[in-house]
Amino acid sequence: DSGVTQTPKHLITATGQRVTLRCSPRSGDLSVYWYQQSLDQGLQFLIQYYNGEERAKGNILERFSAQQFPDLHSELNLSSLELGDSALYFCASSVEGNSPLHFGNGTRLTVT
Amino acid sequence: AQRVTQPEKLLSVFKGAPVELKCNYSYSGSPELFWYVQYSRQRLQLLLRHISRESIKGFTADLNKGETSFHLKKPFAQEEDSAMYYCALLEYGNKLVFGAGTILRVKS
Repeated sequence: DSGVTQTPKHLITATGQRVTLRCSPRSGDLSVYWYQQSLDQGLQFLIQYYNGEERAKGNILERFSAQQFPDLHSELNLSSLELGDSALYFCASSVEGNSPLHFGNGTRLTVT
Repeated sequence: AQRVTQPEKLLSVFKGAPVELKCNYSYSGSPELFWYVQYSRQRLQLLLRHISRESIKGFTADLNKGETSFHLKKPFAQEEDSAMYYCALLEYGNKLVFGAGTILRVKS
């Protein structure tokens, strides 16, 4: 158990809808990262937060947004969903800097 | 531009055979590299990092700055090594960028 908790495990929704994925980092970790894993794109870095502030941005669509709350949990909001958004979304956390990432089990999103 | 390249999508070996999973990187600074592993239906886990210079589950990886490589090696593959392996580079700004991954299949 990595200590990183992601909910829900699975999510099935229709195109055009909006969903929220939730992540609780390991106790003591200040950084939260979001990744999207799909068959054709591999593991893509979306965004990173550190202690509530956005620190780095990757290939995140404008339809997607995220935030990290004072209690350090994070939410990834995906809106106007398209079929191509179907993927496994991973959250990871680390203490900071070059510390190794600890991944959650992921949320599998299926857009129909 | 691809910063981390894993040229093989699939590597299939027999049990007991040596394994080498290739990883090449492109980075202007001093690289910090990692190998992560994802077993079937499980989360990604850190396997090893180059600064630790350790051997985990019999795997080793040496950073070769001249060849800009960080290949993952194991002298004798086991069936339980079958998994997806990702090479990752920590870029400036604390962004961890992953390669496309290589599926290792160890056949009995």
